[in-house]
Amino acid sequence: DTGVSQDPRHKITKRGQNVTFRCDPISEHNRLYWYRQTLGQGPEFLTYFQNEAQLEKSRLLSDRFSAERPKGSFSTLEIQRTEQGDSAMYLCASSLQTGITFFGQGTRLTVV
Amino acid sequence: QKEVEQDPGPLSVPEGAIVSLNCTYSNSAFQYFMWYRQYSRKGPELLMYTYSSGNKEDGRFTAQVDKSSKYISLFIRDSQPSDSATYLCAMSDGGGGADGLTFGKGTHLIIQP
Repeated sequence: DTGVSQDPRHKITKRGQNVTFRCDPISEHNRLYWYRQTLGQGPEFLTYFQNEAQLEKSRLLSDRFSAERPKGSFSTLEIQRTEQGDSAMYLCASSLQTGITFFGQGTRLTVV
Repeated sequence: QKEVEQDPGPLSVPEGAIVSLNCTYSNSAFQYFMWYRQYSRKGPELLMYTYSSGNKEDGRFTAQVDKSSKYISLFIRDSQPSDSATYLCAMSDGGGGADGLTFGKGTHLIIQP
């Protein structure tokens, strides 16, 4: 499978717990993005990496959210002290310089 | 006013009909335009990609961009029940970074057999 891979596909957690999601981009893509999508809305940009450098973060990304991309390969998105409002689909995407962006299947987070 | 406006629908048409989906936008810096198809609880799948103005055709799908009117369209010919999904338009200024893609809310399309 040469597409964007995300793990897990679904995560249920109790409020206050920490969760971590993983994304493996398409191998030759140097840009990696995280988006969040809630029901009835389009994906909203959270953050982006060019290689290992995190170059941009949306104001949607509170201090409880942190993302890493060590060695410019896979990326992780961690949410600390989860809240019910964090329930959403978290999408990872990757692209080359041209901006054509491919998405993974997403991680659906449910905070109970 | 949001940067990208898209009618959420639902849009229901009979099988075989021509479907027209549209988005308007306000940011004149956008120059890359994409259409994604998203099935329920799945990630968006890239359908069409267009740079600047003009038309692009791929099988039953045609994408049109009119930058002077800030208006983009996706046409689906000979629509099939399997085309039933949410269609998202997305745009970029081409830097590929910064704010990434800006999406519309998506149009929920239903093709009736």
